[in-house]
Amino acid sequence: DAKTTQPNSMESNEEEPVHLPCNHSTISGTDYIHWYRQLPSQGPEYVIHGLTSNVNNRMASLAIAEDRKSSTLILHRATLRDAAVYYCILTLGLMRFGAGTRLTVKP
Amino acid sequence: DTGVSQNPRHKITKRGQNVTFRCDPISEHNRLYWYRQTLGQGPEFLTYFQNEAQLEKSRLLSDRFSAERPKGSFSTLEIQRTEQGDSAMYLCASSSGLAGPRWNEQFFGPGTRLTVL
Repeated sequence: DAKTTQPNSMESNEEEPVHLPCNHSTISGTDYIHWYRQLPSQGPEYVIHGLTSNVNNRMASLAIAEDRKSSTLILHRATLRDAAVYYCILTLGLMRFGAGTRLTVKP
Repeated sequence: DTGVSQNPRHKITKRGQNVTFRCDPISEHNRLYWYRQTLGQGPEFLTYFQNEAQLEKSRLLSDRFSAERPKGSFSTLEIQRTEQGDSAMYLCASSSGLAGPRWNEQFFGPGTRLTVL
């Protein structure tokens, strides 16, 4: 399985944009890039996914590097409810979670 | 509520006892997954079903662990002769497996927290 590297933790101020990076230099051509997040005391929830092109949805944007060796999850205006662990996962099917990035949002 | 449900939410047991957890996936989902999560770590994949067929098992799943999905609907995860190292959150997820933009989106339940004394 291709591996991902994420910072252990990041901080953001409320209502500011947040850029969460993920490195995946061994990504294969068929791997999709998925992002999930896990709020305190809950199971993970889907955020966004993409293959080659940048993607937007109501929760976030996903920017994928041209060589696909890295990607960035963008939260356009962080709120206190966005405080969670964010996981970047490469998969064509089954998902293998790493430790993720713990995002703290300060009021 | 049409989400994934898991029962019980909490289980405390003594070492050596057997425990069984239940997962009810979203009704039209044909794929079901079990994960285990310990404190500070991401979920670890344990096993995966497509309908009633168990298609993949992690090497983490020792012989003491068994999972079933007898009619392709709910699933059970049994741990025999529990050990203190089995203490963790056990998460279940389901996905539709159907073609479409969100084909692989997994919906997670709230988990069952197991404490082995």
